[in-house]
Amino acid sequence: EVQLVESGGGLVQPVRSLRLSCVVSGFTFDDYAMHWVRQAPGKGLEWVSGISWNSDNIGYADSVKGRFTISRDNAKNSLYLQMNSLRAEDTAFYYCVKDISSGGAYYFDYWGQGTLVTVSS
Amino acid sequence: EIVMTQSPATLSVSPGERATLSCRASQSVSINLAWYQQKPGQAPRLLIYGASTRATGIPARFSGSGSGTEFTLTISSLQSEDFAVYYCQQYNNWHTFGGGTKVEIK
Repeated sequence: EVQLVESGGGLVQPVRSLRLSCVVSGFTFDDYAMHWVRQAPGKGLEWVSGISWNSDNIGYADSVKGRFTISRDNAKNSLYLQMNSLRAEDTAFYYCVKDISSGGAYYFDYWGQGTLVTVSS
Repeated sequence: EIVMTQSPATLSVSPGERATLSCRASQSVSINLAWYQQKPGQAPRLLIYGASTRATGIPARFSGSGSGTEFTLTISSLQSEDFAVYYCQQYNNWHTFGGGTKVEIK
């Protein structure tokens, strides 16, 4: 059974930092690209960032470029999102998502249950 | 960045009726278009990829069409479990989601 379990969310003040983690099981992690997708409460989905299987191909949404950094540790079956200079508009559920490909340029077949990040003073 | 626009924002449909949802891309995405269904409190579920291919386990009442910049998701006869929010996603140039269409009971 495929599982993606996010952690690291919580309440953080504006301009501070937070690091999200996602541990996966049930598939060969280093065969697939991974992504972070977020959803503000009651709002739509927003792709945040993606990383290829070997970390050679990385992309970011314009809204987070220069502030967020995606990374992965294939030995630990783990995906990370380092979020710096956080803003109120970054408040959202953050989902860890599996791509169907290794490169990161296809659609998504498995999603975690999400971790909530709240940016507020 | 490619912008995806979905219409309508809300669609009121009676059970058993057909629902037609639209998605428009700001530039061509070829057939690199997927549709997802999301119910309250749940993560999204893949319905359609490649604009028209149903994902594993998706009922035949769901169909997708289109290419380039104009796409459609059709639910031929709405069942109670189909009332949800539907999102399109382009994956031609990284990824962008549309704003979603909520399908509600009329």
